[in-house]
Amino acid sequence: EVQLVESGGGLVQPGGSLRLSCAASGFTFSSYWMSWVRQAPGKGLEWVANIKQDGGEKYYVDSVKGRFTISRDNAKNSLYLQMNSLRAEDTAVYYCARPQPTWHDALDIWGQGTMVTVCS
Amino acid sequence: SYELTQAPSVSVSPGQTASITCSGDKLGDKYACWYQQKPGQSPVLVIYEDMKRPSGIPERFSGSNSGNTATLTISGTQAMDEADYYCQAWDSSTVVFGGGTKLTVL
Repeated sequence: EVQLVESGGGLVQPGGSLRLSCAASGFTFSSYWMSWVRQAPGKGLEWVANIKQDGGEKYYVDSVKGRFTISRDNAKNSLYLQMNSLRAEDTAVYYCARPQPTWHDALDIWGQGTMVTVCS
Repeated sequence: SYELTQAPSVSVSPGQTASITCSGDKLGDKYACWYQQKPGQSPVLVIYEDMKRPSGIPERFSGSNSGNTATLTISGTQAMDEADYYCQAWDSSTVVFGGGTKLTVL
């Protein structure tokens, strides 16, 4: 079964750090770009970051540039999001998702999400 | 930066046709896709490449994309279709979502 499972969310104080993980299974992880998408409570979906198959290209939404870092370990079939200098507005459910290249990169697989709460 | 605009809400009676639109500059030159999200659940892809359905998505879901507008159409809307719907496109190497439309079936 194709699956993405996020972990690492929790409660953190403003200015703090958190590292999210996404474990992939059921497909050849190293063959796919991967994405992080977040959703603040009661709000819409917001794309956060993308990473190329080999990690050589990374893209971020402006609001997280310089604070968040997307990375991957293809040997461990894992995607990561290192979040530093966290702000209250980063509070959200964070999803990892897989762009499907044969479908012009529609996000065909999503994890269940992990909640990040930034609060003092 | 590229933006996609959706109406916040749409209402439809059971059995009728619901149309949810998404507008963006020259959106028709890109591929649009649509996601359904029910409360407490992860988004589910319902339309990709403007009009194609992943396996398992009912035939009542269809899509189109031309000019500046992409449209998700749900024919014979059922109560189970009540959800938030998001359009999405790629701009360069970034993902852009519309603000979402809450579909109410009443």
